[in-house]
Amino acid sequence: EVQLVESGGGLVQPGGSLRLSCAASGFTFTTYWMSWVRRTPGKGLEWLANIKQDGSEKYYVDSVRGRFTISRDNAKNSLYLQMNSLRAEDTAVYYCARDRYDILTGYNDAFDHWGPGTLVTVSS
Amino acid sequence: EIVLTQSPATLSLSPGERATLSCRASQSVSSYLAWYQQKPGQAPRLLIYGASNGASGTPARFSGSGSGTDFTLTINSLEPEDVAVYYCQQRSIWPRVTFGPGTKVEIK
Repeated sequence: EVQLVESGGGLVQPGGSLRLSCAASGFTFTTYWMSWVRRTPGKGLEWLANIKQDGSEKYYVDSVRGRFTISRDNAKNSLYLQMNSLRAEDTAVYYCARDRYDILTGYNDAFDHWGPGTLVTVSS
Repeated sequence: EIVLTQSPATLSLSPGERATLSCRASQSVSSYLAWYQQKPGQAPRLLIYGASNGASGTPARFSGSGSGTDFTLTINSLEPEDVAVYYCQQRSIWPRVTFGPGTKVEIK
């Protein structure tokens, strides 16, 4: 059974930092792109970043580029999100998600497994 | 950025009725459109990918249709367990992903 479990959320002051982790199990972690997605009260679901199987390619949404860093440790089957310069609008539930690979199109078109999420609150 | 618009914002129906949810894209996304169900306190669950393909475990009462800019998620014979928010999502231009604002489905 595929399992993704996030950790590391909590309360942080504006301008502070936080590192989220996602422990993956039940599948061959090294063969999938992985993503971070968040859900905010105001904007709903927002894709933040993804990372290639070997970590050689990373992509970010404009709103977090330069502040957030996605990484992975394939030896530990783990995904990470380092979040710096946090703002109130970063308050959200953060999910790690597995990119779905379509074997017919050769394209990662959706997210087929998600973790339960971890809450990040940015407030003074 | 491709913007997804969902309608209605809220849908209130009786058990056994058919629910029709709409998702419209600001430009063509071909068939790179997925639907998710999110129940309170739970993670999103993939229901439909490629506009019309059921994901593993998706009940047969859920179906997707459309291409280009207009898409529909249909729930035939609504059940109380279908109460949730439903989101559409596109990834037609790698790697960018956008989600719609969601449609909340309620039971009368």
